[in-house]
Amino acid sequence: DGGITQSPKYLFRKEGQNVTLSCEQNLNHDAMYWYRQDPGQGLRLIYYSQIVNDFQKGDIAEGYSVSREKKESFPLTVTSAQKNPTAFYLCASLDPREPVNTEAFFGQGTRLTVV
Amino acid sequence: QKEVEQDPGPLSVPEGAIVSLNCTYSNSAFQYFMWYRQYSRKGPELLMYTYSSGNKEDGRFTAQVDKSSKYISLFIRDSQPSDSATYLCAPPPSNTGKLIFGQGTTLQVKP
Repeated sequence: DGGITQSPKYLFRKEGQNVTLSCEQNLNHDAMYWYRQDPGQGLRLIYYSQIVNDFQKGDIAEGYSVSREKKESFPLTVTSAQKNPTAFYLCASLDPREPVNTEAFFGQGTRLTVV
Repeated sequence: QKEVEQDPGPLSVPEGAIVSLNCTYSNSAFQYFMWYRQYSRKGPELLMYTYSSGNKEDGRFTAQVDKSSKYISLFIRDSQPSDSATYLCAPPPSNTGKLIFGQGTTLQVKP
């Protein structure tokens, strides 16, 4: 089955530590995205990538970093510079070559809690 | 001004009610929009598309765009408790690939 896998589902981090969230897709999609969702809030874009070895900052990139060394993988690192990292993180992918009706496919999310 | 804006709610209705969920947008170049449904603690899933002209119907769901007022609507007829979720509207990705969403409206349908 094709899809997006995020791991782990739950993650706990001590203040001052960096932590990396995994996102893997086998949909052969070029574009991948990371969003943050706070309780009762919508999706806020952290970073996105259209092709391997290239990525762009979204609306709330401060305190986060990403890499795109493989088409299938787009890990997100939450650094100690992120002052309020506790949130639900969602990864998505889509095929930008679709001329219309470009559907984004999401993983099941990682809930990060700072303890 | 945000490109897409949505009232976060929450919206609570009795079972069987007609629900209207709405978004406004600022970029008149958008050719279509998408509605996603997100159940609690899950990733969003595409519910339906709607083009910038006319309506689209899919079972109990109807999506509508009013280009003159830049207003997007999703109607749910005969709402069910299983419709309880957050509904997010989204325009297509930008030329740079940026994909954004409205804030989402949380709907609760009470039995």
